[in-house]
Amino acid sequence: GENVEQHPSTLSVQEGDSAVIKCTYSDSASNYFPWYKQELGKRPQLIIDIRSNVGEKKDQRIAVTLNKTAKHFSLHITETQPEDSAVYFCAAKSGNAGNMLTFGGGTRLMVKP
Amino acid sequence: DAGITQSPRHKVTETGTPVTLRCHQTENHRYMYWYRQDPGHGLRLIHYSYGVKDTDKGEVSDGYSVSRSKTEDFLLTLESATSSQTSVYFCAVNSGTQETQYFGPGTRLLVL
Repeated sequence: GENVEQHPSTLSVQEGDSAVIKCTYSDSASNYFPWYKQELGKRPQLIIDIRSNVGEKKDQRIAVTLNKTAKHFSLHITETQPEDSAVYFCAAKSGNAGNMLTFGGGTRLMVKP
Repeated sequence: DAGITQSPRHKVTETGTPVTLRCHQTENHRYMYWYRQDPGHGLRLIHYSYGVKDTDKGEVSDGYSVSRSKTEDFLLTLESATSSQTSVYFCAVNSGTQETQYFGPGTRLLVL
């Protein structure tokens, strides 16, 4: 089955700096890679996703890049703000019948004002 | 919120007792999932359903069973709760026509 590794597990940045979170996956058949943000005590919420037929996607201050050859994808947050502080999860969907996602272990991002 | 509710939102129970958690959705999503979330482990899939009466096991299914008798409800049962099942449980849905999964608000379960 699919295996997703996420690094780092914690990340502390100064407000205004950029943050990068990296994930690797094992199943070359994986074709969909979402990122979720989870604030304390809340549900995970989708912030951006990318499909295997594109290499990069941007939405305002966040972007995701995908390298299918190396089987890794990354989340980039620019001009970080205190409200970006949360736990971020990457995930991968392989070509399975149940539309199942395999999640990374999460990254706790702390943005210091 | 994709029309997802979970009940109860919080529960404290004792080891050995049965527990049932409910996920209810109002938007006719085909796929429904149960995850558990524990520190350092992210979200791990317990069971999922791809239609009424159609379910399958996920990564951490031991000690759990599920049922889906109606499109809108997906029940997770701990037949005999253990302390290792203390966790936050999230339900998620997926329409089947898009890949995106949407999560419910979660149930915090404490097994003493």
